[in-house]
Amino acid sequence: DVKVTQSSRYLVKRTGEKVFLECVQDMDHENMFWYRQDPGLGLRLIYFSYDVKMKEKGDIPEGYSVSREKKERFSLILESASTNQTSMYLCASSPGLIYEQYFGPGTRLTVT
Amino acid sequence: AQSVTQLDSQVPVFEEAPVELRCNYSSSVSVYLFWYVQYPNQGLQLLLKYLSGSTLVESINGFEAEFNKSQTSFHLRKPSVHISDTAEYFCAVIPEAGGGNKLTFGTGTQLKVEL
Repeated sequence: DVKVTQSSRYLVKRTGEKVFLECVQDMDHENMFWYRQDPGLGLRLIYFSYDVKMKEKGDIPEGYSVSREKKERFSLILESASTNQTSMYLCASSPGLIYEQYFGPGTRLTVT
Repeated sequence: AQSVTQLDSQVPVFEEAPVELRCNYSSSVSVYLFWYVQYPNQGLQLLLKYLSGSTLVESINGFEAEFNKSQTSFHLRKPSVHISDTAEYFCAVIPEAGGGNKLTFGTGTQLKVEL
């Protein structure tokens, strides 16, 4: 079974802190994604990566950056956390862009 | 660009009753369609998908969805729901070619099954 793990289920950070969210997949998938999920807005794509060291902006990249140094790991970085970045963050991986995406359990981030 | 509309944010239904969750999409190109389900405190998982062939697709737990190209819809149905079907359901599309190859999700429908 594909497994996508995220480093934390719950995280509380202060405004202005640098925040790292880590995601690891164990199925050698080429593609990895970061979404944020907010009530009434569904899932919105922040960034995705189709290869090591490759990244593309999604629909809402502002305030975020990503890093993919190894195929199995995709990190989301909030350079200076703000309260409007309080949200659920979901990581996903996929063997190909039209194939099923496999999701991690999510990290609920609260910025105070 | 694509967009997905799920008109119902919440659908309450009694156990063993039928249910339909509506999904309409807009796209200038042909798309593949997906339904994902999110159980409480979990990530999303694929429920079913339409890529080609028969327009009626089924999941292993009794859900089905029918692709209607003329109405640009992909509604999800189940003839008899169970308490364990309580979850949030997301419709999503991805263009068959070009268009950025990104999944576009709807805003979700919370299905609440009551006794």
